[in-house]
Amino acid sequence: ETGVTQSPTHLIKTRGQQVTLRCSSQSGHNTVSWYQQALGQGPQFIFQYYREEENGRGNFPPRFSGLQFPNYSSELNVNALELDDSALYLCASRGSYNEQFFGPGTRLTVL
Amino acid sequence: RKEVEQDPGPFNVPEGATVAFNCTYSNSASQSFFWYRQDCRKEPKLLMSVYSSGNEDGRFTAQLNRASQYISLLIRDSKLSDSATYLCVVNPAGSGNTGKLIFGQGTTLQVKP
Repeated sequence: ETGVTQSPTHLIKTRGQQVTLRCSSQSGHNTVSWYQQALGQGPQFIFQYYREEENGRGNFPPRFSGLQFPNYSSELNVNALELDDSALYLCASRGSYNEQFFGPGTRLTVL
Repeated sequence: RKEVEQDPGPFNVPEGATVAFNCTYSNSASQSFFWYRQDCRKEPKLLMSVYSSGNEDGRFTAQLNRASQYISLLIRDSKLSDSATYLCVVNPAGSGNTGKLIFGQGTTLQVKP
């Protein structure tokens, strides 16, 4: 096991709503990344947090935002949900050689 | 052109077969390379890192060809438990400290008895 945990496991929302996903990274890992994985695709990088600041972002609109806390846990917030936001959301903590260790993910369904 | 390209398959092979997956990447300055394995409805798990000199872990061998921007994964003596999606992953240039990884679409392997 990677030691990365995520909550909730599953979530159903409707269009226009807001959602918050949570992640606790592996002990001692201070860098957390979030990825979105649509069905049949590889994960897409959303952003990364290091020492409570965003320090890298993929091609996602501003309605995707995040936070990192002093204990290195993190949140992903998505506002104004759209149908295409339905996906598996993965949190990962970074190892010493830029490898990523993923949590089990949150499966979000937007109706 | 996608930054990381893989043949999505599926690859259907009998137990004991040898199977090879290939992957190409577009950014010639990319720094780190990995293969991840993903089981159905589960998270990706690191299978192995890929080094310029090539590396082996049991039945799995990974190769990197920087000149051709090509990565491969060879699985020998396939087991039923190898059935999964294999993701080719690249850490592109300029993001060495951000940890951004670029994933291919994944190649599906189904090992049959």
